Amino acid sequence: SQQGEEDPQALSIQEGENATMNCSYKTSINNLQWYRQNSGRGLVHLILIRSNEREKHSGRLRVTLDTSKKSSSLLITASRAADTASYFCAPSSMDSSYKLIFGSGTRLLVRP
Amino acid sequence: DSGVTQTPKHLITATGQRVTLRCSPRSGDLSVYWYQQSLDQGLQFLIQYYNGEERAKGNILERFSAQQFPDLHSELNLSSLELGDSALYFCASTKGGHNTGELFFGEGSRLTVL
Repeated sequence: SQQGEEDPQALSIQEGENATMNCSYKTSINNLQWYRQNSGRGLVHLILIRSNEREKHSGRLRVTLDTSKKSSSLLITASRAADTASYFCAPSSMDSSYKLIFGSGTRLLVRP
Repeated sequence: DSGVTQTPKHLITATGQRVTLRCSPRSGDLSVYWYQQSLDQGLQFLIQYYNGEERAKGNILERFSAQQFPDLHSELNLSSLELGDSALYFCASTKGGHNTGELFFGEGSRLTVL
């Protein structure tokens, strides 16, 4: 099994700016998912990108996947204070298809 | 509302005690995952069940055990509790047994061990 490693650990931006967070992983994947967690709440699924996709959009979210570099990025455009949360990536390994392991996340603070 | 129900929401107990956390998955979901999240930490994968059978195990302590019942609800039993077991315990469910689909998380059970 593997987990994603999010980077940076923390990010502070002004409302209206874009936020980019990255995820790296080690082995081949079926897909990679991004989740958001508001403080003390359950995780909420944001987006899933399959290994044969390079980019995916959902509203103000844009996710890219580079399987050659074993990395993904999540871009939140025109951020809002409500985007303040922790963001986690979860790569789904081809070799361990039951576990879904989360990293430590990126803590995003959007200042009003 | 994710459709996943966890009870209790909060639990305060003493060291050495035993507690049971309960999870009801979304209607139609056969798979249940359990995670532990200590203060300001990431999520530690504990265990996964699919249709009543254990499918994957993470860093689950021997003092912890879980099961999934025929009605698909799941229970996580924590015994001989220690201060370090204080954490948020999340349950998540998904339709299939593989980790390729979206997980739906409950709001968690916050355990405080004094």
